[in-house]
Amino acid sequence: KNEVEQSPQNLTAQEGEFITINCSYSVGISALHWLQQHPGGGIVSLFMLSSGKKKHGRLIATINIQEKHSSLHITASHPRDSAVYICADPPYGGATNKLIFGTGTLLAVQP
Amino acid sequence: GAVVSQHPSWVICKSGTSVKIECRSLDFQATTMFWYRQFPKQSLMLMATSNEGSKATYEQGVEKDKFLINHASLTLSTLTVTSAHPEDSSFYICSANDRASSYEQYFGPGTRLTVT
Repeated sequence: KNEVEQSPQNLTAQEGEFITINCSYSVGISALHWLQQHPGGGIVSLFMLSSGKKKHGRLIATINIQEKHSSLHITASHPRDSAVYICADPPYGGATNKLIFGTGTLLAVQP
Repeated sequence: GAVVSQHPSWVICKSGTSVKIECRSLDFQATTMFWYRQFPKQSLMLMATSNEGSKATYEQGVEKDKFLINHASLTLSTLTVTSAHPEDSSFYICSANDRASSYEQYFGPGTRLTVT
């Protein structure tokens, strides 16, 4: 059974700070997802990665397959980055299998 | 990028009525769509997996006769909440697998259902 754990659960930062959210999983994966959910809002898929590193604007996602660990970094954080960040991955590496979700990290960026 | 839409974005209905929620993949074909529900301050809970042209697979504890899923085409899946009750009030989210890219999964904006 795959377990996905995130840390921290809650994170408060000052505007401009560099932020890191961590995700660990217990079973080898095909692709790990990073998702963003604003309060009361829908979910936005930020990244899907199976190796290495991806960058989109101020967001960077990395993954270490050997250590079964992924990180989401936000550079020059801004109050609009305040949201819940969720990592998720398929339990058996299959594309059509359901995702196992982490518990989420609630990020609040203060001006 | 791939877009998944949901309609309606919010709906209020009376107890005992049925509500249909649509999930569409706008610019890609989705062989598989997933339906989730989310209660306040909780994570997403998978309700069912919907494959085009076949019956949906429901997660344990989800009543298939209450939550009817129809995946009639490669771009449309519907979730019908039958005989809705106040405890069905929740945020319903769908996601879709891109047929061309086996690992890509895209999420809809969600539908907030309130049953009075």
